[in-house]
Amino acid sequence: DGGITQSPKYLFRKEGQNVTLSCEQNLNHDAMYWYRQDPGQGLRLIYYSQIVNDFQKGDIAEGYSVSREKKESFPLTVTSAQKNPTAFYLCASSIARDSQETQYFGPGTRLLVL
Amino acid sequence: AQSVAQPEDQVNVAEGNPLTVKCTYSVSGNPYLFWYVQYPNRGLQFLLKYITGDNLVKGSYGFEAEFNKSQTSFHLKKPSALVSDSALYFCAVRPGGYSTLTFGKGTMLLVSP
Repeated sequence: DGGITQSPKYLFRKEGQNVTLSCEQNLNHDAMYWYRQDPGQGLRLIYYSQIVNDFQKGDIAEGYSVSREKKESFPLTVTSAQKNPTAFYLCASSIARDSQETQYFGPGTRLLVL
Repeated sequence: AQSVAQPEDQVNVAEGNPLTVKCTYSVSGNPYLFWYVQYPNRGLQFLLKYITGDNLVKGSYGFEAEFNKSQTSFHLKKPSALVSDSALYFCAVRPGGYSTLTFGKGTMLLVSP
């Protein structure tokens, strides 16, 4: 987990509310990623970014949005359009989006719906 | 499109015995393969990866994995299991070039004292 921080550790969302999950890295990595983890389903890619001011949709981007205004930060917003947001959210980063590069993960944020 | 299968939801082993967590993959071209471990309510920790070269890859905490191209497998192994190895293990694959990492569904390893 070293070098990548996620906050908060737990987040509660009310119906119709947008919430933002924070991800910060001090590893000087160019690429950053957001995954969603549900029990028994492994990790699914939401969004990824290769470089500042650029990002691409992953496999399950609907109901989510991101920004990449700074190299070290990649916040994820869970919008009201995401009807089933309860999950464990993991942020990762790698030196570059090259296939050989290892992705390193943050400690995660657990999102719960009230 | 690439895919990863971890055929066992759970593996049980006694402490001191060898352990194997299985992974098979499907990918176009040469695969890059990774193993991660996750402890409860924590992020994933990188264990090891295969890029090229020796088919036996050694990683953290005494784990190793063997790449078998003919069987499209990348099984994780450890000669002597510890209770502290009990965790959720993920295999992941990506083909060469710029593409996304695909994860298996995970295998829970339970090591009994």
